[in-house]
Amino acid sequence: GAVVSQHPSWVICKSGTSVKIECRSLDFQATTMFWYRQFPKQSLMLMATSNEGSKATYEQGVEKDKFLINHASLTLSTLTVTSAHPEDSSFYICSASRGRGSGNTIYFGEGSWLTVV
Amino acid sequence: GEDVEQSLFLSVREGDSSVINCTYTDSSSTYLYWYKQEPGAGLQLLTYIFSNMDMKQDQRLTVLLNKKDKHLSLRIADTQTGDSAIYFCAEDSSASKIIFGSGTRLSIRP
Repeated sequence: GAVVSQHPSWVICKSGTSVKIECRSLDFQATTMFWYRQFPKQSLMLMATSNEGSKATYEQGVEKDKFLINHASLTLSTLTVTSAHPEDSSFYICSASRGRGSGNTIYFGEGSWLTVV
Repeated sequence: GEDVEQSLFLSVREGDSSVINCTYTDSSSTYLYWYKQEPGAGLQLLTYIFSNMDMKQDQRLTVLLNKKDKHLSLRIADTQTGDSAIYFCAEDSSASKIIFGSGTRLSIRP
């Protein structure tokens, strides 16, 4: 079946540095990918919608200059957390849309745990 | 606006049935989903239901949808310790954007 891969699964970075998280659709082309963030003991919050070949659409309250999203190809979207701070420590998860038409078209990556020290 | 609500905790005895409830607000949702998240892991799609259905059964899982009341439930029969997890209800609001509930933490007692 379809697989969405995220890398890295775990990352620790120092405050002030940038870290990049990759989201790949392994066996299908994803024109749209989504980035979510989950704080401990809270629900997933949609951060942005990543569209191949165009700018990402950010949800209200998400800083686009801090969370840079690039969807350069139909199988890869990247989220870069710039000038990371400890409060950016969170679980980031992506999903890829294969298109509408059936209920099983949204596939999630395994998530990436970011710890900023 | 779009909103999905669920209770935060549920505790059931091993072998009993678990029923997790969810309400949503977007009547235009095409699909409604149940996801499972185990500690430290990503989301696993458990099941989904198309909005014109009122019930779907898949092995131990039964999903009931009351579209009039915008109420969705997930029943897990013969609950086992491996079912301990957080269960998220979600609706497919538009353009494949999914809105999640807060999650219900299911704990199993012996």
